[in-house]
Amino acid sequence: GAGVSQSPRYKVAKRGQDVALRCDPISGHVSLFWYQQALGQGPEFLTYFQNEAQLDKSGLPSDRFFAERPEGSVSTLKIQRTQQEDSAVYLCASSLALGGTETQYFGPGTRLLVL
Amino acid sequence: DQQVKQNSPSLSVQEGRISILNCDYTNSMFDYFLWYKKYPAEGPTFLISISSIKDKNEDGRFTVFLNKSAKHLSLHIVPSQPGDSAVYFCAASRRTGGGADGLTFGKGTHLIIQP
Repeated sequence: GAGVSQSPRYKVAKRGQDVALRCDPISGHVSLFWYQQALGQGPEFLTYFQNEAQLDKSGLPSDRFFAERPEGSVSTLKIQRTQQEDSAVYLCASSLALGGTETQYFGPGTRLLVL
Repeated sequence: DQQVKQNSPSLSVQEGRISILNCDYTNSMFDYFLWYKKYPAEGPTFLISISSIKDKNEDGRFTVFLNKSAKHLSLHIVPSQPGDSAVYFCAASRRTGGGADGLTFGKGTHLIIQP
């Protein structure tokens, strides 16, 4: 399909384990966003890329969280030494143009459960 | 401190009637507002948006109203259909200034359409 895809859809990790979550944005979309959605909450902004440049990482909760988009397309969100409080749905969104000027289209999310 | 608030966690409406979902915001810098609809195990789907220079935007059965002085917006769905049963998220951003802002979401309202 032509939408945003994310993998894996579900991930169970043991506390302390490293995880990597992948996002494939809509082809040609310049902007890419990562959000974290805890149970019963709305999505919360984590980080933003414009092409390969990470322009805003103010929402990353700790230095255990790292995101990259090396070729300006696929992005990976990595969480090191996972903790139980990292359990959430991680959503990726892309938009055609710059920053918040265009509608963001979301992927289905990766549900992470840390035991 | 929540900058976007949806004070009704759930709303039940009879099929064919009007559904009204409300949203309040506190940050006067927000100038672009969106509504997203979310089904279980799927990512949020864009519904409708409104710029702060307008007070109303309509798209088919969906109308969004913005009252800037009250920092309040609402989504009207007329007539409500069973497929409208979902969680609705209000989101806000700053389009001006060229910033790369992620969206700020409310906690969502679960709309249930009763047959």
